[in-house]
Amino acid sequence: DAKTTQPNSMESNEEEPVHLPCNHSTISGTDYIHWYRQLPSQGPEYVIHGLTSNVNNRMASLAIAEDRKSSTLILHRATLRDAAVYYCILRDYAGGTSYGKLTFGQGTILTVHP
Amino acid sequence: EAQVTQNPRYLITVTGKKLTVTCSQNMNHEYMSWYRQDPGLGLRQIYYSMNVEVTDKGDVPEGYKVSRKEKRNFPLILESPSPNQTSLYFCASSWGLGGGSGANVLTFGAGSRLTVL
Repeated sequence: DAKTTQPNSMESNEEEPVHLPCNHSTISGTDYIHWYRQLPSQGPEYVIHGLTSNVNNRMASLAIAEDRKSSTLILHRATLRDAAVYYCILRDYAGGTSYGKLTFGQGTILTVHP
Repeated sequence: EAQVTQNPRYLITVTGKKLTVTCSQNMNHEYMSWYRQDPGLGLRQIYYSMNVEVTDKGDVPEGYKVSRKEKRNFPLILESPSPNQTSLYFCASSWGLGGGSGANVLTFGAGSRLTVL
């Protein structure tokens, strides 16, 4: 299965940018990189995803390394509401093993200080 | 509203008493899956289904059964629950293959907290 590695925890101050890293050295050419976050007492929610190019949406930006073996989720101005567990996963859009069978891991616990 | 609905949200039961956690989605998604979440272990996949009548094991399928008789529903069945199945359970769904990059995005339910005494 395609695996990802994330730091267990990170801290940030409110209104500062946050860069959450994810390593995925065994990524295949048809794996999309997905990010989800789980706020306290809620189910995970989608944040952003990408294949090769950097992506932006209203929640965050996703920077993907040229060799695709790592990526970084960027929260441009962290707020207290961004405190959550952030998960990086790979999903094979071509129907390979990691389309159905998904590995989330423990994610990164982000703490945001006022 | 597009959503994944799980029931019950909270359940306390006893060892050996069969139970079913239901999961229903209203988005016509082909793919559905179940996860359990335990402290220090993150989200672990139990079973997934690529479409009706097609199910497969995730990383931790022991002690669980699933069925996918219709597209919208994917119940998780614990035939003989044990205390080590005390956990927080999440159901998720997405479009199937061939639907474009957005088809891969998962929508999760709010979770079902199960305690087995």
